[in-house]
Amino acid sequence: GQNIDQPTEMTATEGAIVQINCTYQTSGFNGLFWYQQHAGEAPTFLSYNVLDGLEEKGRFSSFLSRSKGYSYLLLKELQMKDSASYLCAVRGPGYQKVTFGIGTKLQVIP
Amino acid sequence: IAGITQAPTSQILAAGRRMTLRCTQDMRHNAMYWYRQDLGLGLRLIHYSNTAGTTGKGEVPDGYSVSRANTDDFPLTLASAVPSQTSVYFCASSDGDTDTQYFGPGTRLTVL
Repeated sequence: GQNIDQPTEMTATEGAIVQINCTYQTSGFNGLFWYQQHAGEAPTFLSYNVLDGLEEKGRFSSFLSRSKGYSYLLLKELQMKDSASYLCAVRGPGYQKVTFGIGTKLQVIP
Repeated sequence: IAGITQAPTSQILAAGRRMTLRCTQDMRHNAMYWYRQDLGLGLRLIHYSNTAGTTGKGEVPDGYSVSRANTDDFPLTLASAVPSQTSVYFCASSDGDTDTQYFGPGTRLTVL
C-alpha cells in the first residue's frame, strides 16, 4: 500500500518563501501530484512530477526524488490568498489509483 | 456545463434512508472517481471507473455503490445511510495523459 507523510500545519509570512515536504512509501510509483485546497472548496491541481528533479510553474515549484521517496512544494513570494491546504498525492500501483496525504494547512500572515 | 458538477450541494439525511449523489462531467474524460474527505483522514477513494461500463472498488467501498452507464455521469448511491457516512463527497475525473484529476465542488452530507 501507500503511506504519505506531510506536516499538518505551517505558518509563513507574506512575501516569503515556504517549502512543504512530503515523504512516501509505496508499493508502486507512477507519479506524484500536488493539489491546493482552500477551505470549503474542491482540490485544484498544482503540479505533477514523474521524473526526478524540479518542475517550475510561476511562483510554485515542485521537486521529486524517487530514490528517497521525497517531494517538496516550494511557494515563492507568498500572498495571503496562498493560505490553503496543500495535498501531496502519489499515483500507483497502476495509473489511476491515487492516494492522498492528509494535507498541510498553510497560514500566510502579514 | 463546464467541468464537473455535483448535486446536491448539501443534504441532511435520516439514517436508513437511500441517497444518490450525482456527478456529471463534460470534459469527455474516461476515468471518474468518488472520494470522501474527513477531518484528519484526508481524501479516501470510494469507487472509481476507468471507462463507461466498468467500475472498481477503492479504499473504502463498503456501504456505497456506483454505476457508469455513459461517459458523463457517475452517480454514487448509499443504499441505507449510516451516521459514519457523514462526510464531504468529491467526484473527480481524469484525462488520459497524466491522469491529473479534476474535482467537482463537493457534496456535504450529514446522516443523523
